[in-house]
Amino acid sequence: DGGITQSPKYLFRKEGQNVTLSCEQNLNHDAMYWYRQDPGQGLRLIYYSQIVNDFQKGDIAEGYSVSREKKESFPLTVTSAQKNPTAFYLCASSRGFSGANVLTFGAGSRLTVL
Amino acid sequence: GENVEQHPSTLSVQEGDSAVIKCTYSDSASNYFPWYKQELGKGPQLIIDIRSNVGEKKDQRIAVTLNKTAKHFSLHITETQPEDSAVYFCAARKFDRGSTLGRLYFGRGTQLTVWP
Repeated sequence: DGGITQSPKYLFRKEGQNVTLSCEQNLNHDAMYWYRQDPGQGLRLIYYSQIVNDFQKGDIAEGYSVSREKKESFPLTVTSAQKNPTAFYLCASSRGFSGANVLTFGAGSRLTVL
Repeated sequence: GENVEQHPSTLSVQEGDSAVIKCTYSDSASNYFPWYKQELGKGPQLIIDIRSNVGEKKDQRIAVTLNKTAKHFSLHITETQPEDSAVYFCAARKFDRGSTLGRLYFGRGTQLTVWP
């Protein structure tokens, strides 16, 4: 079955540590996204990528970094510079340039900073 | 960008009743409006969408209406069932200047609870 796999599902981190969240898709989608979800805040865009080796900052990119070395993969690193990293992180993908930009989401990764 | 307001933030209904969630958007250039349903512990899933050249769209028990003049759109769920309980997000798509990739701007979500 085609879809998006995020790992790990739960992650605990000490303050000052970087952590990388994995996102893999087998939908052959061009575009990939990272969203952050906080209670009552909706979905806020962190980074997005239209094609391999290219990505753009979203609305809340500070303290995060990404890479897009392969079409299937779009890992997110939460760095120690992110002041409030505890949140639910969602990865998504879409066909990109055409159609109605329907997003397919992964199941999410919950990061807790201790 | 685009500012999407969603109301109410929580909604409780009795099984069999109807539920309505409303969203407004700020930019008249937005042209595509999807609705996503997020069940507990899962990622959001698209349930219905509407383009700006259409006023209403139905899919079984769910429908979406769009008023371009007033810049608002609504989700209607009829004959609600307990499995409809979830968080619902509306969104509006707008193309950023110079980009061919339309960005979605999401509302803050509505927690719908359907009581048996």
